[in-house]
Amino acid sequence: QQQVKQSPQSLIVQKGGISIINCAYENTAFDYFPWYQQFPGKGPALLIAIRPDVSEKKEGRFTISFNKSAKQFSLHIMDSQPGDSATYFCAASSTTGFQKLVFGTGTRLLVSP
Amino acid sequence: NAGVMQNPRHLVRRRGQEARLRCSPMKGHSHVYWYRQLPEEGLKFMVYLQKENIIDESGMPKERFSAEFPKEGPSILRIQQVVRGDSAAYFCASSTRADEQYFGPGTRLTVT
Repeated sequence: QQQVKQSPQSLIVQKGGISIINCAYENTAFDYFPWYQQFPGKGPALLIAIRPDVSEKKEGRFTISFNKSAKQFSLHIMDSQPGDSATYFCAASSTTGFQKLVFGTGTRLLVSP
Repeated sequence: NAGVMQNPRHLVRRRGQEARLRCSPMKGHSHVYWYRQLPEEGLKFMVYLQKENIIDESGMPKERFSAEFPKEGPSILRIQQVVRGDSAAYFCASSTRADEQYFGPGTRLTVT
């Protein structure tokens, strides 16, 4: 029940295309859903986050779509660029509990020039 | 506007030695979390601390691992008698509120 399932494991997108990464969760107590971007040898960087009271959040080229009834959320990267090539992690936490983040297993994105 | 700082960035220990990993949270942050990342895997929660208190250590192995966040100074993750399976990247994150956690660059521990 604590798992967050992430897919795909890896993704290749052409420059200018749309990258889509999906996550699903089981624990209905989760109420905070961030996405992190990680480059090799670096720490995860907070990219964008959403709470269940909205179905979509957009920041620049990054959009989170959230489906509360299906317990799914996804990251869309519009106009993908080679500089977006990184590993992306979804995560979830319950802000009424101890707030520890439960991470997905990651998606390695490669944007080809 | 320094971010979360961790040191050392790389640490090599022989089996049976002790490893001490340090984390200085962002200025004004009083919540510290430690996570472990094995190669090609996601991050796994280990422990959550506030100043002088361990709040949640449900992800921490029962033996050899300990953590502290003293009133003064950085948070310390201590691994005694390291084994090869402890080789991983250890990240700490800090926050002011319960949700937005900001991660440090990590300490990559190699046990030989």
